Amino acid sequence: AQSVTQPDIHITVSEGASLELRCNYSYGATPYLFWYVQSPGQGLQLLLKYFSGDTLVQGIKGFEAEFKRSQSSFNLRKPSVHWSDAAEYFCAVGRGQNFVFGPGTRLSVLP
Amino acid sequence: GAVVSQHPSRVICKSGTSVKIECRSLDFQATTMFWYRQFPKQSLMLMATSNEGSKATYEQGVEKDKFLINHASLTLSTLTVTSAHPEDSSFYICSATRGDDQFFGPGTRLTVL
Repeated sequence: AQSVTQPDIHITVSEGASLELRCNYSYGATPYLFWYVQSPGQGLQLLLKYFSGDTLVQGIKGFEAEFKRSQSSFNLRKPSVHWSDAAEYFCAVGRGQNFVFGPGTRLSVLP
Repeated sequence: GAVVSQHPSRVICKSGTSVKIECRSLDFQATTMFWYRQFPKQSLMLMATSNEGSKATYEQGVEKDKFLINHASLTLSTLTVTSAHPEDSSFYICSATRGDDQFFGPGTRLTVL
């Protein structure tokens, strides 16, 4: 069965600092991997996705993620965090109809 | 990119009443739509899969008689929360598939008094 873990429930970083959000998955086949961001009371916005090819994926808002098959990981990174990045981040795995979300990581940004 | 809308964005209702939430794919046809529920500070939990022209498939533990889903066209799925109770208060999010991508609606905040 598919599953997604995000080990960090809450992360706090200072504005301008680098960021890495962890995501590990379990999936029976070649996974499609996604990162979404959700601001309070809002829907989900797709940051980036990995289907195949280059394992380093560039997304919107300066985010990137690296797929590491050997570690079953798809960690999200940003070199310099902005105050507006404070939100909830969800990693998801799936293909079409089989879609599973991780529990989410809440990011707080200190001025 | 593909756009999915939800209506209403917020709804407050009295206990015992029914509430209908609409999910529309605005610029593409979606054979399959999904309904998720999200409790505060928690992740999205899949409630049901809605297929155009057929009965919805519900996840284990989701009451099909309470959460009625209709997918009458390739661009519209509706979720009706029947005889709503305060414990049904939640954030409901729909999504629509196009190929291997899912596109999410902005969500509907339901508050049952």
